[in-house]
Amino acid sequence: GQSLEQPSEVTAVEGAIVQINCTYQTSGFYGLSWYQQHDGGAPTFLSYNALDGLEETGRFSSFLSRSDSYGYLLLQELQMKDSASYFCAVSDGQNFVFGPGTRLSVLP
Amino acid sequence: EAEVAQSPRYKITEKSQAVAFWCDPISGHATLYWYRQILGQGPELLVQFQDESVVDDSQLPKDRFSAERLKGVDSTLKIQPAELGDSAMYLCASSLEFGQDYNEQFFGPGTRLTVL
Repeated sequence: GQSLEQPSEVTAVEGAIVQINCTYQTSGFYGLSWYQQHDGGAPTFLSYNALDGLEETGRFSSFLSRSDSYGYLLLQELQMKDSASYFCAVSDGQNFVFGPGTRLSVLP
Repeated sequence: EAEVAQSPRYKITEKSQAVAFWCDPISGHATLYWYRQILGQGPELLVQFQDESVVDDSQLPKDRFSAERLKGVDSTLKIQPAELGDSAMYLCASSLEFGQDYNEQFFGPGTRLTVL
């Protein structure tokens, strides 16, 4: 089976940097992806890591350590519009499993 | 910009009734997913299609849920009979294909189901 763990909530102020961690246990592993979901909206894709290291896309970066079964999403220069739920998800080539999600609240 | 279409957006039904949801993926996307998302939780994969074939339905409650994608394009998810615990958002997503070379999943707006 597969299981993923994320913090349930994170709070930060505008302009700050926040890191959302994800640990996983899977029988197989292709990669770790991140999705953002605003209240009432559908998940939207943010990033994907198949190899160890840091991937940067604008204000968002994602990191993966396959040996530690661990990854994180880093959000820089936080904006109010970043308030949303963030999900990590694991693919093992046959199954796709989402984590429980981290609710990020950005305060003015 | 191409989008995943779903209908209806909202559905209220009484328990023991039948409900059906429809999804039209982005043109050319071979892989289609149906997810159930309970408020405050992550999406849970119910069924995954590659073209018209089911790739994974291990989490689909087969005694009451069924899904089909007859021509490998649009898809229907059915619940019969609906139970109170089925109240959730049902999300459809599609991607070019599924495999080691990851393909981003594009989600539709979802169908919010309320069972009374």
